[in-house]
Amino acid sequence: GAGVSQTPSNKVTEKGKYVELRCDPISGHTALYWYRQSLGQGPEFLIYFQGTGAADDSGLPNDRFFAVRPEGSVSTLKIQRTERGDSAVYLCASSSYLGETQYFGPGTRLLVL
Amino acid sequence: AQSVTQLDSHVSVSEGTPVLLRCNYSSSYSPSLFWYVQHPNKGLQLLLKYTSAATLVKGINGFEAEFKKSETSFHLTKPSAHMSDAAEYFCVGGGSNYKLTFGKGTLLTVNP
Repeated sequence: GAGVSQTPSNKVTEKGKYVELRCDPISGHTALYWYRQSLGQGPEFLIYFQGTGAADDSGLPNDRFFAVRPEGSVSTLKIQRTERGDSAVYLCASSSYLGETQYFGPGTRLLVL
Repeated sequence: AQSVTQLDSHVSVSEGTPVLLRCNYSSSYSPSLFWYVQHPNKGLQLLLKYTSAATLVKGINGFEAEFKKSETSFHLTKPSAHMSDAAEYFCVGGGSNYKLTFGKGTLLTVNP
């Protein structure tokens, strides 16, 4: 079956611009997670959703980052006033329920010039 | 809080020889532990997971890992490396807060 998909696969933007990154979870998965992977590092947790609500957003680095999941399926990670330090691969994962195995998408590679 | 430490940033083996990727964990409670693999330009793939049912965990592609509480270790092994095993491997901790905590990764190179 279809796995987690993320769009775009690559995004280049200029410092100060706004970007949106999209995640389509596996059909039927109620939990959705966002991670960020900087060069040479392991992924770091940003936020997760159970259904439509953000159950834990403690990993978001600051208030420029925001994520939504309005209908409990697709999620969008939004970054305002991008900075060069936001350059990273943003990974999305989903699981059937919270605490179950997380399945990852291929990621969106964001480059802020 | 749970943390994991991967002891080697890079491991190089010859095809057909054993693979050992080392991971230590730190947790104040019984952990969930995972190994994920990341091939270039591919998503993270789950190799195996430990959830206290058995200390020796078998995963996909011939990999296995042994949970050793006395050593706080969860090393990944494979008896015979294949060229297709070349990738980055992450030891990952999971806890009751549902967040995964990743190690920094070990890059496995397989030489012909």
